[in-house]
Amino acid sequence: SAVISQKPSRDICQRGTSLTIQCQVDSQVTMMFWYRQQPGQSLTLIATANQGSEATYESGFVIDKFPISRPNLTFSTLTVSNMSPEDSSIYLCSVARSGANTEAFFGQGTRLTVV
Amino acid sequence: DAKTTQPTSMDCAEGRAANLPCNHSTISGNEYVYWYRQIHSQGPQYIIHGLKNNETNEMASLIITEDRKSSTLILPHATLRDTAVYYCIVRASTGANSKLTFGKGITLSVRP
Repeated sequence: SAVISQKPSRDICQRGTSLTIQCQVDSQVTMMFWYRQQPGQSLTLIATANQGSEATYESGFVIDKFPISRPNLTFSTLTVSNMSPEDSSIYLCSVARSGANTEAFFGQGTRLTVV
Repeated sequence: DAKTTQPTSMDCAEGRAANLPCNHSTISGNEYVYWYRQIHSQGPQYIIHGLKNNETNEMASLIITEDRKSSTLILPHATLRDTAVYYCIVRASTGANSKLTFGKGITLSVRP
């Protein structure tokens, strides 16, 4: 398994500001993903964080709103930019090793409230 | 879009087996069936996965039909702590489709 540390665990932010969420893994992983979970909803994939190149975004998510960095195989950040109350969600980091037949693991999430 | 369909909810009595069904009729040959669960306010927890054979671990058993179009997750002796949302996901082993796409899941309520 992999131990994932997400920071901050929660935050309350003013609209119009930005928040950067960090995801640290205790071992090298090939794949890192960022998800959003809006209140009462399932998880939605935002993007795949690629080491050494631009992240791959899912439909409906753009780099200007959710810039992502991944400087190495154990660390990634997600920034939620120019926040509005609609961005209030739980943001989750997920990691997986390469190869077939390998499970993905999740952090405990960052609970963001925008006021 | 999620490639699986699950009932919205179910319940079972504590100590009894919980059988959670999942349909994945469009599953491809290289796609695995994964199960995760999410207990309130926590990140999803991996339970089990399989390709075509039945699988068992310390948490659960996964029964996959021979045509692979459906599967059942079995929690052999459900406890109150098993109350959670359970997600059945089909996932390719490599490439762009190796990401996990979550559907709505099934809410399991274990009653005393």
